[in-house]
Amino acid sequence: GAVVSQHPSWVICKSGTSVKIECRSLDFQATTMFWYRQFPKQSLMLMATSNEGSKATYEQGVEKDKFLINHASLTLSTLTVTSAHPEDSSFYICSATRQGTDTQYFGPGTRLTVL
Amino acid sequence: LAKTTQPISMDSYEGQEVNITCSHNNIATNDYITWYQQFPSQGPRFIIQGYKTKVTNEVASLFIPADRKSSTLSLPRVSLSDTAVYYCLVGDAKGYSTLTFGKGTMLLVSP
Repeated sequence: GAVVSQHPSWVICKSGTSVKIECRSLDFQATTMFWYRQFPKQSLMLMATSNEGSKATYEQGVEKDKFLINHASLTLSTLTVTSAHPEDSSFYICSATRQGTDTQYFGPGTRLTVL
Repeated sequence: LAKTTQPISMDSYEGQEVNITCSHNNIATNDYITWYQQFPSQGPRFIIQGYKTKVTNEVASLFIPADRKSSTLSLPRVSLSDTAVYYCLVGDAKGYSTLTFGKGTMLLVSP
């Protein structure tokens, strides 16, 4: 299979704090990882694309200084929401593509609530 | 980016076959068609992917006509647990970041 995990599955934090979300490919090496955000009753919106060892590519309108992405290895990417505010509350989902294929496999998502 | 259009919602009953059609008039030569299923508060789950004609796996079939301007996801004998949102995506096999999620189709399966 192609299993992608995320940690934590949910997090509640105070406004102004930073939150780190981990995305791991458990049984394969991921050449590329993606981060999406999904608001209630809406579709997924791609935030950024990251390749191991290089800087992430952010979609238009996504602040790279606010959403820090680190893709340190072929199995781990992290998304840090810096100085979180209530409007950052959302469902954050990562995905990964296996080397040699183009199919994205998604993690279970992380529910972020900023108070 | 090739835009996709799907019905907002569909209703079905247990045991029926469900066909969800997606339009992608601007599909490019290198684009593949991929379908995902998403339950509330979960990440999307890969269902099936194809380029042309017909693809079948253990959960679904994907029908793609010769002009590739549309595709149909076929779910045989649906059950209550198939109630979910289904997304059709079109993307370049070499440019993963071009995948754009549309609004999807909310399938409701009733007893």
